[in-house]
Amino acid sequence: GENVEQHPSTLSVQEGDSAVIKCTYSDSASNYFPWYKQELGKRPQLIIDIRSNVGEKKDQRIAVTLNKTAKHFSLHITETQPEDSAVYFCAANGNTGNQFYFGTGTSLTVIP
Amino acid sequence: DAGVIQSPRHEVTEMGQEVTLRCKPISGHDYLFWYRQTMMRGLELLIYFNNNVPIDDSGMPEDRFSAKMPNASFSTLKIQPSEPRDSAVYFCASSFFRSEAFFGQGTRLTVV
Repeated sequence: GENVEQHPSTLSVQEGDSAVIKCTYSDSASNYFPWYKQELGKRPQLIIDIRSNVGEKKDQRIAVTLNKTAKHFSLHITETQPEDSAVYFCAANGNTGNQFYFGTGTSLTVIP
Repeated sequence: DAGVIQSPRHEVTEMGQEVTLRCKPISGHDYLFWYRQTMMRGLELLIYFNNNVPIDDSGMPEDRFSAKMPNASFSTLKIQPSEPRDSAVYFCASSFFRSEAFFGQGTRLTVV
Protein backbone atom coordinates (compact mmCIF):
# COMPACT_ATOMS: atom_id res chain seq x y z
CA GLY A 1 0.00 0.00 0.00
CA GLU A 2 0.81 3.67 0.10
CA ASN A 3 3.45 4.97 2.52
CA VAL A 4 3.18 8.62 3.57
CA GLU A 5 5.99 10.26 5.52
CA GLN A 6 5.56 13.63 7.21
CA HIS A 7 8.06 16.09 8.65
CA PRO A 8 8.62 17.67 11.07
CA SER A 9 6.82 15.90 13.89
CA THR A 10 6.76 19.09 15.96
CA LEU A 11 7.00 22.70 14.90
CA SER A 12 7.00 25.90 16.94
CA VAL A 13 6.72 29.31 15.32
CA GLN A 14 6.19 32.84 16.51
CA GLU A 15 2.82 34.38 15.80
CA GLY A 16 2.90 36.03 12.40
CA ASP A 17 5.62 33.79 11.02
CA SER A 18 5.08 31.11 8.39
CA ALA A 19 4.91 27.37 8.95
CA VAL A 20 5.74 24.68 6.41
CA ILE A 21 4.98 20.98 6.74
CA LYS A 22 6.26 18.50 4.19
CA CYS A 23 5.06 15.05 3.12
CA THR A 24 6.27 12.42 0.72
CA TYR A 25 4.35 9.50 -0.71
CA SER A 26 5.41 6.28 -2.37
CA ASP A 27 2.61 5.27 -4.74
CA SER A 28 2.68 7.17 -8.02
CA ALA A 29 -0.99 6.22 -8.55
CA SER A 30 -2.08 8.50 -5.69
CA ASN A 31 -3.91 11.49 -7.12
CA TYR A 32 -5.70 13.12 -4.20
CA PHE A 33 -3.87 14.73 -1.27
CA PRO A 34 -5.93 16.16 1.60
CA TRP A 35 -4.65 17.96 4.66
CA TYR A 36 -6.43 17.65 7.98
CA LYS A 37 -6.26 19.71 11.15
CA GLN A 38 -6.97 18.07 14.47
CA GLU A 39 -7.43 20.15 17.58
CA LEU A 40 -6.92 18.54 20.95
CA GLY A 41 -9.68 16.08 21.74
CA LYS A 42 -11.49 16.68 18.45
CA ARG A 43 -11.90 14.97 15.13
CA PRO A 44 -9.64 15.58 12.12
CA GLN A 45 -11.16 18.12 9.76
CA LEU A 46 -10.19 18.93 6.20
CA ILE A 47 -8.52 22.30 5.72
CA ILE A 48 -7.36 22.05 2.12
CA ASP A 49 -6.81 19.41 -0.55
CA ILE A 50 -5.11 19.16 -3.92
CA ARG A 51 -5.50 16.84 -6.86
CA SER A 52 -2.69 15.66 -9.06
CA ASN A 53 -3.72 17.76 -12.04
CA VAL A 54 -2.64 20.96 -10.31
CA GLY A 55 0.62 22.03 -8.72
CA GLU A 56 -0.60 24.55 -6.20
CA LYS A 57 -3.78 25.59 -4.43
CA LYS A 58 -4.37 28.47 -2.07
CA ASP A 59 -7.11 29.35 0.38
CA GLN A 60 -6.50 32.57 2.29
CA ARG A 61 -3.52 31.94 4.60
CA ILE A 62 -3.18 28.29 3.64
CA ALA A 63 -1.55 26.90 0.52
CA VAL A 64 -0.56 23.45 -0.65
CA THR A 65 1.99 22.59 -3.32
CA LEU A 66 2.43 19.27 -5.10
CA ASN A 67 5.43 17.91 -6.98
CA LYS A 68 4.31 14.70 -8.67
CA THR A 69 7.72 13.91 -10.09
CA ALA A 70 9.36 14.00 -6.69
CA LYS A 71 6.25 12.61 -4.96
CA HIS A 72 6.09 15.27 -2.32
CA PHE A 73 3.59 17.85 -1.22
CA SER A 74 3.71 20.61 1.33
CA LEU A 75 1.39 22.72 3.47
CA HIS A 76 2.20 26.38 3.93
CA ILE A 77 0.52 28.53 6.56
CA THR A 78 1.32 32.24 6.46
CA GLU A 79 0.75 34.87 9.15
CA THR A 80 0.23 32.18 11.75
CA GLN A 81 -2.15 32.79 14.64
CA PRO A 82 -2.48 31.04 18.02
CA GLU A 83 -5.64 29.31 16.80
CA ASP A 84 -3.55 27.56 14.15
CA SER A 85 -2.01 25.50 16.95
CA ALA A 86 -3.07 21.89 16.35
CA VAL A 87 -1.88 18.62 14.86
CA TYR A 88 -1.83 18.59 11.06
CA PHE A 89 -2.01 15.41 8.99
CA CYS A 90 -1.29 14.92 5.33
CA ALA A 91 -2.79 12.01 3.40
CA ALA A 92 -2.70 10.32 0.01
CA ASN A 93 -5.34 8.12 -1.55
CA GLY A 94 -3.29 5.16 -2.79
CA ASN A 95 -3.64 3.09 -5.93
CA THR A 96 -7.31 2.20 -5.54
CA GLY A 97 -8.19 5.86 -5.32
CA ASN A 98 -10.07 5.86 -2.07
CA GLN A 99 -7.88 4.53 0.72
CA PHE A 100 -6.69 7.47 2.78
CA TYR A 101 -3.20 6.82 4.10
CA PHE A 102 -2.18 9.39 6.68
CA GLY A 103 1.19 10.78 7.66
CA THR A 104 2.22 10.62 11.30
CA GLY A 105 1.18 14.19 12.02
CA THR A 106 2.88 17.50 12.85
CA SER A 107 2.15 19.20 16.13
CA LEU A 108 2.20 22.92 15.40
CA THR A 109 2.49 25.44 18.23
CA VAL A 110 2.11 29.13 17.48
CA ILE A 111 3.67 31.21 20.22
CA PRO A 112 1.88 34.51 20.88
CA ASP B 1 -27.06 16.15 7.65
CA ALA B 2 -25.72 15.72 11.18
CA GLY B 3 -22.42 14.39 9.94
CA VAL B 4 -20.85 11.07 10.82
CA ILE B 5 -22.25 9.84 14.12
CA GLN B 6 -20.37 7.47 16.37
CA SER B 7 -21.39 5.81 19.59
CA PRO B 8 -20.48 5.54 22.32
CA ARG B 9 -18.19 8.56 22.77
CA HIS B 10 -16.37 6.88 25.61
CA GLU B 11 -16.11 3.23 26.55
CA VAL B 12 -14.32 1.71 29.51
CA THR B 13 -14.26 -2.05 29.65
CA GLU B 14 -12.40 -4.83 31.35
CA MET B 15 -9.88 -6.97 29.55
CA GLY B 16 -11.54 -9.95 27.92
CA GLN B 17 -14.88 -8.26 27.37
CA GLU B 18 -16.48 -7.73 23.99
CA VAL B 19 -16.63 -4.16 22.73
CA THR B 20 -18.84 -2.91 19.91
CA LEU B 21 -18.37 0.50 18.34
CA ARG B 22 -21.05 1.96 16.10
CA CYS B 23 -21.07 4.36 13.20
CA LYS B 24 -23.69 6.06 11.07
CA PRO B 25 -22.12 7.58 7.93
CA ILE B 26 -23.29 10.66 6.10
CA SER B 27 -26.29 9.82 3.96
CA GLY B 28 -25.32 9.19 0.35
CA HIS B 29 -21.64 8.55 1.00
CA ASP B 30 -20.56 5.26 -0.53
CA TYR B 31 -17.29 4.79 1.34
CA LEU B 32 -16.88 4.13 5.03
CA PHE B 33 -13.60 3.89 6.92
CA TRP B 34 -12.56 2.78 10.38
CA TYR B 35 -9.38 4.31 11.82
CA ARG B 36 -7.55 3.81 15.08
CA GLN B 37 -5.53 6.68 16.57
CA THR B 38 -2.79 6.29 19.15
CA MET B 39 0.15 8.44 20.10
CA MET B 40 2.59 5.76 19.01
CA ARG B 41 1.08 4.78 15.67
CA GLY B 42 -0.90 7.84 14.61
CA LEU B 43 -3.97 7.34 12.42
CA GLU B 44 -4.14 3.77 11.17
CA LEU B 45 -6.65 2.65 8.55
CA LEU B 46 -8.21 -0.56 9.84
CA ILE B 47 -10.78 -1.36 7.16
CA TYR B 48 -12.89 0.36 4.58
CA PHE B 49 -16.16 -0.44 2.81
CA ASN B 50 -17.53 0.54 -0.57
CA ASN B 51 -21.29 0.25 -0.98
CA ASN B 52 -21.42 -1.84 2.22
CA VAL B 53 -18.83 -4.33 0.95
CA PRO B 54 -15.49 -4.65 2.77
CA ILE B 55 -12.76 -3.77 0.29
CA ASP B 56 -9.56 -3.85 2.30
CA ASP B 57 -9.21 -5.16 5.85
CA SER B 58 -5.43 -5.53 5.79
CA GLY B 59 -5.15 -2.97 8.56
CA MET B 60 -7.18 -4.98 11.04
CA PRO B 61 -4.61 -5.92 13.66
CA GLU B 62 -5.76 -9.47 14.35
CA ASP B 63 -8.68 -11.83 14.39
CA ARG B 64 -10.04 -10.27 17.55
CA PHE B 65 -11.18 -7.36 15.40
CA SER B 66 -14.14 -7.59 13.04
CA ALA B 67 -16.24 -5.04 11.18
CA LYS B 68 -19.59 -5.19 9.45
CA MET B 69 -21.74 -2.90 7.40
CA PRO B 70 -25.20 -4.48 7.14
CA ASN B 71 -26.64 -1.49 5.29
CA ALA B 72 -25.68 1.91 3.93
CA SER B 73 -26.45 3.72 7.16
CA PHE B 74 -24.77 1.59 9.80
CA SER B 75 -21.45 -0.05 10.57
CA THR B 76 -19.94 -1.74 13.59
CA LEU B 77 -16.41 -2.47 14.72
CA LYS B 78 -16.18 -5.27 17.24
CA ILE B 79 -13.29 -6.33 19.44
CA GLN B 80 -13.57 -9.71 21.11
CA PRO B 81 -11.85 -10.29 23.46
CA SER B 82 -10.54 -6.83 24.22
CA GLU B 83 -7.02 -6.23 25.54
CA PRO B 84 -5.38 -3.19 27.20
CA ARG B 85 -3.30 -2.52 24.06
CA ASP B 86 -6.55 -1.92 22.17
CA SER B 87 -7.00 1.31 24.13
CA ALA B 88 -7.16 4.12 21.57
CA VAL B 89 -9.50 6.54 19.88
CA TYR B 90 -11.44 4.86 17.09
CA PHE B 91 -12.72 7.07 14.29
CA CYS B 92 -15.26 6.30 11.64
CA ALA B 93 -15.23 8.38 8.45
CA SER B 94 -17.26 8.45 5.26
CA SER B 95 -16.82 9.95 1.82
CA PHE B 96 -17.71 9.97 -1.82
CA PHE B 97 -15.20 8.45 -4.23
CA ARG B 98 -11.87 10.34 -4.22
CA SER B 99 -13.27 13.11 -2.08
CA GLU B 100 -12.92 14.49 1.41
CA ALA B 101 -13.37 12.01 4.22
CA PHE B 102 -15.61 13.34 7.00
CA PHE B 103 -14.77 12.02 10.43
CA GLY B 104 -17.05 11.24 13.31
CA GLN B 105 -16.32 12.48 16.82
CA GLY B 106 -14.53 9.26 17.69
CA THR B 107 -14.90 6.68 20.42
CA ARG B 108 -12.30 6.75 23.18
CA LEU B 109 -11.82 3.16 24.25
CA THR B 110 -10.07 2.27 27.48
CA VAL B 111 -9.48 -1.39 28.29
CA VAL B 112 -8.41 -2.00 31.88
